[in-house]
Amino acid sequence: EPEVTQTPSHQVTQMGQEVILRCVPISNHLYFYWYRQILGQKVEFLVSFYNNEISEKSEIFDDQFSVERPDGSNFTLKIRSTKLEDSAMYFCASSNGGEGTGELFFGEGSRLTVL
Amino acid sequence: DAKTTQPTSMDCAEGRAANLPCNHSTISGNEYVYWYRQIHSQGPQYIIHGLKNNETNEMASLIITEDRKSSTLILPHATLRDTAVYYCIVRPATSGTYKYIFGTGTRLKVLA
Repeated sequence: EPEVTQTPSHQVTQMGQEVILRCVPISNHLYFYWYRQILGQKVEFLVSFYNNEISEKSEIFDDQFSVERPDGSNFTLKIRSTKLEDSAMYFCASSNGGEGTGELFFGEGSRLTVL
Repeated sequence: DAKTTQPTSMDCAEGRAANLPCNHSTISGNEYVYWYRQIHSQGPQYIIHGLKNNETNEMASLIITEDRKSSTLILPHATLRDTAVYYCIVRPATSGTYKYIFGTGTRLKVLA
């Protein structure tokens, strides 16, 4: 069964460092998302992406964040200068975006720890 | 904010049916009800969705009331592996991107 894969599964970084989280969405999906979940809190929407541009972003997704689909298969989330509060689980998701059937398929997540 | 209301937690005996309610009293005519679950800290997993009619798949059944203001997710024979947080989400029946908004969900504990 096709699945969304994410790397790395866990990354530890120093505050102020740049981090890139990578995702390979399901191959025939056209819509891509990043969510995050701070330990013990809700799953929060960060950004959606379609046709090589951001469709929607939350207020969390500030200038420190960026997304890219560099090669037609990978979908990346970059955090330019990490802060302690960026420590969270980051989930990538994809969908085919069909009307009424646009269920999201999530990856297993990348745990980011900022020291 | 999420447009649904769910109990914070529920327990269910292993092998019994788990019935998870969701209130979505402000649902619009073109909005679907989706259910996802999150096992431990894994990525949320799609379970089932419906518009008006009851739905069943290999994982669960979804019962939607006639007025569509509430629904119930039924896991017919709960196992220990069904212990998870279950999220009920409403979303418009539109194609394209949609930012699913996750609430706090119902933490289901299946007891041996």
